[in-house]
Amino acid sequence: QSVLTQPPSVSGAPGQRVTISCTGSSSNIGAYYSVHWYQQLPGTAPKLLIYTNTNRPSGVPDRFSGSKSGSSASLAITGLQAEDEAYYYCQSYDSSLSGSRVFGGGTKLTVL
Amino acid sequence: DVQLVESGGGLVQPGGSLRLSCAASGFTFSTYWMTWVRQAPGKGLEWVATIKDGGSDKYYVDSVRGRFTISRDNAKNSLYLQMNSLTAEDTAVYYCATDRGGYYYFDNWGQGTLVTVSS
Repeated sequence: QSVLTQPPSVSGAPGQRVTISCTGSSSNIGAYYSVHWYQQLPGTAPKLLIYTNTNRPSGVPDRFSGSKSGSSASLAITGLQAEDEAYYYCQSYDSSLSGSRVFGGGTKLTVL
Repeated sequence: DVQLVESGGGLVQPGGSLRLSCAASGFTFSTYWMTWVRQAPGKGLEWVATIKDGGSDKYYVDSVRGRFTISRDNAKNSLYLQMNSLTAEDTAVYYCATDRGGYYYFDNWGQGTLVTVSS
């Protein structure tokens, strides 16, 4: 059971827009800690996709965007491409235990 | 370019020990917090441990506290994870990552090293 809750799977056709939700609580996202997102392509290491809620590292296309409201956050992907098919993880900090970085359970994005 | 290369994984019996290493290059290692994250086969990501840049402060997930020790050698640009009393539940790919301290995110990842705990 992950501290942050994500849907197990989402899907969309090429060119469409999809969103992935990440729900936390008052000890993590709701406590004003930032949310970060990672993309994990099949057989590879995770890669930072969005940091501090809305920021993209250099090289990440602007088709990827993040938002946060209250105890939840969302990752939006517009103009879906076949190469976006991957697992996506949200991550934050939880104040209930010292030093605890926490992840969501991950969402598998399927491009139809 | 930032490069993180893990090593030391392998097959170990339950109750055994293993020491993972992560060789860092392409950045000023001594100024970065560092973290270990693991991923059990077919499962999601799990934060394991974090160490501050100077090595003074260390943080662990409950399931490994008392069994695992994170450490670093800034002179050698290296991060370590000493794992003792291993169980089957520790079987995973272990990734080292740079940790953005007070922002709590991981901006660079290694390729991972597989640890298998089995008799």
